[in-house]
Amino acid sequence: GENVEQHPSTLSVQEGDSAVIKCTYSDSASNYFPWYKQELGKGPQLIIDIRSNVGEKKDQRIAVTLNKTAKHFSLHITETQPEDSAVYFCAASLTDSWGKLQFGAGTQVVVTP
Amino acid sequence: SQTIHQWPATLVQPVGSPLSLECTVEGTSNPNLYWYRQAAGRGLQLLFYSVGIGQISSEVPQNLSASRPQDRQFILSSKKLLLSDSGFYLCAWSWDRGPGGAQPQHFGDGTRLSIL
Repeated sequence: GENVEQHPSTLSVQEGDSAVIKCTYSDSASNYFPWYKQELGKGPQLIIDIRSNVGEKKDQRIAVTLNKTAKHFSLHITETQPEDSAVYFCAASLTDSWGKLQFGAGTQVVVTP
Repeated sequence: SQTIHQWPATLVQPVGSPLSLECTVEGTSNPNLYWYRQAAGRGLQLLFYSVGIGQISSEVPQNLSASRPQDRQFILSSKKLLLSDSGFYLCAWSWDRGPGGAQPQHFGDGTRLSIL
């Protein structure tokens, strides 16, 4: 089955700097890769996603890149702000008929002023 | 727009007691529904998913069960809770998988379950 590895597990950045989180997946047939942000005591919120027919997608300060050959994808947050502090999860779709997702273990991002 | 509701937000139960957590979705029809558990340490473990009324698939053997009595209602249950059932339970919905592949899942705000 699909296996998703996420690094780093924790990331501390200065406000205004960039943050990068990387994920690798094992199933070359996976074709959908969402990213979620989870604040304390809340459910994960979808922040950006990418499909396998696209190499990069950007939404304001957030971007995701996908390298299908290497089977890895990354989340980039530029000009980080204290409100970006949260746990971030990557996920990859399972190649079954139901559209299930396999999640990474999460990255705790701390943005210090 | 679509919204997802989970309740209660927090729950403290004694070992051996029953459990019923409810999740409802508004603003859509025939969604795929999911129950996840998130233990301390952040990982999301898929427990159950459903693609239609009365249709439940279990991902891991456990002390819990799920039911979908109505199109937009998903219930997580247990007859006798164990200490190991403590955790953060999340419900999610998505559109049915289309020709483009899997669809985004949208999560509720979860139920924090503590077993004493």
